Amino acid sequence: GENVEQHPSTLSVQEGDSAVIKCTYSDSASNYFPWYKQELGKRPQLIIDIRSNVGEKKDQRIAVTLNKTAKHFSLHITETQPEDSAVYFCAATPLYNNNDMRFGAGTRLTVKP
Amino acid sequence: KAGVTQTPRYLIKTRGQQVTLSCSPISGHRSVSWYQQTPGQGLQFLFEYFSETQRNKGNFPGRFSGRQFSNSRSEMNVSTLELGDSALYLCASSFVRGLAAGETQYFGPGTRLLVL
Repeated sequence: GENVEQHPSTLSVQEGDSAVIKCTYSDSASNYFPWYKQELGKRPQLIIDIRSNVGEKKDQRIAVTLNKTAKHFSLHITETQPEDSAVYFCAATPLYNNNDMRFGAGTRLTVKP
Repeated sequence: KAGVTQTPRYLIKTRGQQVTLSCSPISGHRSVSWYQQTPGQGLQFLFEYFSETQRNKGNFPGRFSGRQFSNSRSEMNVSTLELGDSALYLCASSFVRGLAAGETQYFGPGTRLLVL
């Protein structure tokens, strides 16, 4: 089955700086990689996702890159703001097979004003 | 559109009891997935239902079960509760195919279960 590792577990940046969170996965069959943001006491929300036929995807200040050969994908947040503070989870799954879906352990991002 | 709703929001049970949690998906959504979230294990996939059928199942013991009704509402049941079952149980709905098809999932607020 799939195994997803996420680093770092905590990340503190100054407002305006960039933040990068990295995940590695083990199952080469995984081809869908979503990222979720979970604010304290709230539900996870999908912020961006990428499929294996794409190397990079960007949505305003958020971008995700995927390296299928190395089996790792990263979340990049630029011009961070205090409201970006949350726990971020990555996940990897083979399309059409939730059985092997795995989430990373999460990264607690703190953006200091 | 109303979002995904879950009831109850908080629950306290004792070991050995059983519990039933409910999830109402967004109107029109037919796929409902359940997740367990704990500080130690993080987010883990439990199972997914579509058109009243369990379509996928994660690596959880048979004490964890679920079902889906014709109106897409779903329930999950945990029998013979253990202390380790204390967690936030989240359900998520999507239109048709769910997370595994790269379809956006919308999470409910969760049910926080405490087993004493």
